[in-house]
Amino acid sequence: GNSVTQMEGPVTLSEEAFLTINCTYTATGYPSLFWYVQYPGEGLQLLLKATKADDKGSNKGFEATYRKETTSFHLEKGSVQVSDSAVYFCALRSGGGADGLTFGKGTHLIIQP
Amino acid sequence: DAGVTQSPTHLIKTRGQQVTLRCSPKSGHDTVSWYQQALGQGPQFIFQYYEEEERQRGNFPDRFSGHQFPNYSSELNVNALLLGDSALYLCASSLGWEEQYFGPGTRLTVT
Repeated sequence: GNSVTQMEGPVTLSEEAFLTINCTYTATGYPSLFWYVQYPGEGLQLLLKATKADDKGSNKGFEATYRKETTSFHLEKGSVQVSDSAVYFCALRSGGGADGLTFGKGTHLIIQP
Repeated sequence: DAGVTQSPTHLIKTRGQQVTLRCSPKSGHDTVSWYQQALGQGPQFIFQYYEEEERQRGNFPDRFSGHQFPNYSSELNVNALLLGDSALYLCASSLGWEEQYFGPGTRLTVT
């Protein structure tokens, strides 16, 4: 079956540091890949997505590249801000689109000023 | 444009009781999916409704059931509540198979 593994948190960084949150997946076929963010007390918001191999999703300074050869979709940002503090979830949806999303356990990111 | 809305915000129930949670999709969306998010975990897919029928189901027992109405809103019903059903229940809507937009969730506590 499908599964997503992402690095355990919390991850604590100083403002303006470089961020990487690792995500690897197991899936049949050609899944679509997503990063969602959950701010305290709020629901999930789609941060970025990629639907095929070598695609790069980007939004708000965050980037992730769909690497089929390593089954990875690592999230990166060059310079984090305190406002980026949140829980980040990597997720996949099997090819065909009718399936629900499969999520990782989430990574709590804490940015200190 | 209202996004996905869910009610109630919080709910406390006793073991063995039944509960109904409600979701109104984002305007223009016709598909509703439900997820269970236990504390400190990622959301887990329960099921998806499209054209008033359950289209896909995750690994959840039959105690979890749902319904979609002609206006695309949806209900999640859980019977014979267990302590382990305590979680944040998230509703997501989409237009067909396009990206899902999530509501703020309903926090269910079973005592």
